[in-house]
Amino acid sequence: DVKVTQSSRYLVKRTGEKVFLECVQDMDHENMFWYRQDPGLGLRLIYFSYDVKMKEKGDIPEGYSVSREKKERFSLILESASTNQTSMYLCASSIGQGAKLFFGSGTQLSVL
Amino acid sequence: GESVGLHLPTLSVQEGDNSIINCAYSNSASDYFIWYKQESGKGPQFIIDIRSNMDKRQGQRVTVLLNKTVKHLSLQIAATQPGDSAVYFCAENRDNYGQNFVFGPGTRLSVLP
Repeated sequence: DVKVTQSSRYLVKRTGEKVFLECVQDMDHENMFWYRQDPGLGLRLIYFSYDVKMKEKGDIPEGYSVSREKKERFSLILESASTNQTSMYLCASSIGQGAKLFFGSGTQLSVL
Repeated sequence: GESVGLHLPTLSVQEGDNSIINCAYSNSASDYFIWYKQESGKGPQFIIDIRSNMDKRQGQRVTVLLNKTVKHLSLQIAATQPGDSAVYFCAENRDNYGQNFVFGPGTRLSVLP
């Protein structure tokens, strides 16, 4: 089975802190994605990567950056956390173009 | 899918009945659709997918119907069980590269004993 692992299930941070969310997949997938999920708004794409060291902005990249130094790992960075970044963050991977996404369990981030 | 605000649409069904969950998609050029199930505290889980060259696809207890004329997708769950209680949402791929999916806001399915 494909496994997408997010390092933290719950995180509580303070406004202005730098936050790292880590994601690892074990299926040698080319593509990795970061979404945030807010009640009633569905999943919104923050950033995605289709190869090591490559990244593309999604719908809501402001306030976020990403890093993909290794194929299996995709990190989401909040340079200076703000309260409106309180959300559920979901990492996903897919084998390639047009393929279905496999999701991690999510990280519930609270910014106080 | 359109945002329906802070509250998800909810479908309540009796255990053993069939469930039908609907989704309207936005892009007539989308050619691949997926249904996901998300249980409380977990990430979305793949249920079934369908490509635009098909109208219907069946899995184990689930059927997806695609009506391209009205841009409508539905998920049918046969003999609904308590373990089916979850939020269900559809996803459509939205560009020619198939890299990005657009997700609907979801429908909460509650199975009544």
